Amino acid sequence: DAGVTQSPTHLIKTRGQHVTLRCSPISGHKSVSWYQQVLGQGPQFIFQYYEKEERGRGNFPDRFSARQFPNYSSELNVNALLLGDSALYLCASSSGDTINEKLFFGSGTQLSVL
Amino acid sequence: QKEVEQDPGPLSVPEGAIVSLNCTYSNSAFQYFMWYRQYSRKGPELLMYTYSSGNKEDGRFTAQVDKSSKYISLFIRDSQPSDSATYLCAMRYSSASKIIFGSGTRLSIRP
Repeated sequence: DAGVTQSPTHLIKTRGQHVTLRCSPISGHKSVSWYQQVLGQGPQFIFQYYEKEERGRGNFPDRFSARQFPNYSSELNVNALLLGDSALYLCASSSGDTINEKLFFGSGTQLSVL
Repeated sequence: QKEVEQDPGPLSVPEGAIVSLNCTYSNSAFQYFMWYRQYSRKGPELLMYTYSSGNKEDGRFTAQVDKSSKYISLFIRDSQPSDSATYLCAMRYSSASKIIFGSGTRLSIRP
């Protein structure tokens, strides 16, 4: 079975630009979460979507937005990029069962903002 | 004060040694505790998942949770060079969607 797939794997942008990152969850999983991992730190929660609805949001500015599609894939959008947005962006897939939820991560998109 | 504290290392041990990795946390409301392994340029891989206090064993890995001390541990027996990676502790509340990670400990196993 395919795991969580993310695209693109690497991306270089300049300050002020906009970026869209994409994620396909594990087959049968209905929830997608997005995390930002800065070099040398643990991942930080950005969003969780379940059945196309936002279930949770982390402490990130409104420049960050996301959505989930009927096939449960998801996009993360970041507007007006800043140098500090350079990070590994991770997508995680889960069943959506909050009682015993386990997250499975993709390999991430490495975003560099110049 | 961070919600989850983890020594960043690096930690270097010889092959075959027992490795002990630890995290402390500040909020007693955490109910689910996890350990992830992350290789360079890869996403985190779930190793252990435990609910509340107690021990859980899976092959060479043992996870311990002591909620009274707000302290969790991961033990790796018979460590192998392939265990060289960054280990992230993580936890969440029972009803919350987000997982809170430690900063990770870099582990190197010397052949």
